[in-house]
Formats: sequence, C-alpha cells, structure tokens
Amino acid sequence: EPEVTQTPSHQVTQMGQEVILRCVPISNHLYFYWYRQILGQKVEFLVSFYNNEISEKSEIFDDQFSVERPDGSNFTLKIRSTKLEDSAMYFCASTSSYNSPLHFGNGTRLTVT
Amino acid sequence: QKEVEQDPGPLSVPEGAIVSLNCTYSNSAFQYFMWYRQYSRKGPELLMYTYSSGNKEDGRFTAQVDKSSKYISLFIRDSQPSDSATYLCAMSEGDNDMRFGAGTRLTVKP
Repeated sequence: EPEVTQTPSHQVTQMGQEVILRCVPISNHLYFYWYRQILGQKVEFLVSFYNNEISEKSEIFDDQFSVERPDGSNFTLKIRSTKLEDSAMYFCASTSSYNSPLHFGNGTRLTVT
Repeated sequence: QKEVEQDPGPLSVPEGAIVSLNCTYSNSAFQYFMWYRQYSRKGPELLMYTYSSGNKEDGRFTAQVDKSSKYISLFIRDSQPSDSATYLCAMSEGDNDMRFGAGTRLTVKP
C-alpha cells in the first residue's frame, strides 16, 4: 500500500540553525500538509499546500517557516532559525481530494539544543 | 473557535473487553469525523472516517457520530493487546484545517 515517507526520522540541530524536513507524499495525491506534535500534546495543524501554493496556515506557521514542492515528488518544510520550542514531531500528510481523510507519514523528530 | 475535547486517559482494559473512546466538540460546522490510531513513535494511522451523523462499522471497530450532541465515539470489540496505542479523534468542516483531540492512551492487558 502506498505510504507517505519522511526523512530524516530524527534530526538534532542547534538553536538558530536552519533545518529542512523532507516528505514524499503518496504519488497521486494533490493536497499536502504539515502538522506538529510537541511531546505529550495535541497534533497541531501548521500548513496546507495545493496547486503549488499555501492554502491555509495556522498562527504557529510564522515567518520562520516555509514550505516548498521543489519537484514532482518532494514536499519540504524549512525552519529558518530554529528555537528550543520548535522541538517536536513533525508529520507530513497528503490526500487525493479536498474532503478525503489524510494519510500521515511516520514523522521527523526534531530536537533543538 | 474550533475546539475538540478528548480525555487523554490513560485507559487500561483486560483483553477481550469492549472499549469506548469519546470526543466532544463545540463547532457545529464540523462535518467530517475521523479516528486515528497512533503507535509510539509512529504517525497517525486512519481507522475510521465518517461524514455527518450516524454509525459506521469496520470489523471490530464502530464509529458513532451524534451531531445534535456534538459527540463522537469509537467502540472496539474484543480488544486485543495489539490495540494498545493512542487513539486520536479528528474533525473538520471540510476545509484544510483538521482539528485533533488530545488522544486517549489505551492499554489492553493480556
């Protein structure tokens, strides 16, 4: 069964550094998402992406965050200057149509020291 | 404001028990309701997906939605140790912003 894949599974970075989290959504999906989950807390929406542009973003997704679909398969989340509070699991998700349920990857655990 | 409430547990039951998991919400515009299962250090895995009110059954799992009460449930029959995970409810208005509950951590003891 096709799945969403995310790399790396764990990323450790120093505060102030830039990180890029990578995702390969399911191949025929058109809608792409990033969510994050701080340890012990809710899964939180960050951003949705369709037709090569951001459809919606949450208040968490500030100017330090950006997303890109650089080619036909990858979907990336960049954090420009990481903060300690950015430490979390970051999940990529995709879906084939607007109202269909999301399929999640296994996440990237980001640790900012 | 969109809000979803879910008791985080933990919930511990013996093998074979019927498990009942619940969420309440305040936004009457929610129309799509989902249950995800999340194992430790894994992404959420879709279990059930329902639109509007009603019941849906899939094997040992039954999802119920009561929009009049703003209440959704997931029942697991004949629970197994492999069902031990965190169960997340999620819902949306049909837009791109899906809201999750906090997740209920379930342990099924052999």
